[in-house]
Amino acid sequence: GENVEQHPSTLSVQEGDSAVIKCTYSDSASNYFPWYKQELGKGPQLIIDIRSNVGEKKDQRIAVTLNKTAKHFSLHITETQPEDSAVYFCAAIGGYQKVTFGTGTKLQVIP
Amino acid sequence: GAGVSQSPSNKVTEKGKDVELRCDPISGHTALYWYRQSLGQGLEFLIYFQGNSAPDKSGLPSDRFSAERTGGSVSTLTIQRTQQEDSAVYLCASSYPGAYKQFFGPGTRLTVL
Repeated sequence: GENVEQHPSTLSVQEGDSAVIKCTYSDSASNYFPWYKQELGKGPQLIIDIRSNVGEKKDQRIAVTLNKTAKHFSLHITETQPEDSAVYFCAAIGGYQKVTFGTGTKLQVIP
Repeated sequence: GAGVSQSPSNKVTEKGKDVELRCDPISGHTALYWYRQSLGQGLEFLIYFQGNSAPDKSGLPSDRFSAERTGGSVSTLTIQRTQQEDSAVYLCASSYPGAYKQFFGPGTRLTVL
């Protein structure tokens, strides 16, 4: 089955700096890669996603890149703000809509 | 519009008791998923429904866990003879037919004493 690894597990950045979270996946059949943000006591919320036929996608301060050959995808947050502090999960979806999540990255933005 | 709702938000039970967790998906979402999130951990897939049928039950950890969905809407996750290791947040998500994007509910925090 699919295996998704996510790094780092924790990340602290100064407000205004950039944050990068990286994931790798194992199943070459995976073709959809969402990123979720989970705030304390809440369910995960989709923040950005990318399909396998696209290399990069950007939405304001958030961008995701995908390298299908290397089976890597990354989340980039620029100009970080304290409200970006949360746990971020990557995921990979292949056939049958089965989702495999990474283990999460706890991001702390220091004012 | 209304999002995915789950009830109860918190449940404390004694070891050996049965519990039922409920999920109300977004209207029109035929796909429904249950996940388990242990403290500080990632999301563990439990079961996937398409309509009322469950083509993928591979994530259910034991035969104490079962789930059903009726009318293509509300789903119930039942845990029989709860154990302390069942303590976790149980999350439900739903999506449109054929869509990959999943929308999550707030979860039910289960504590087994």
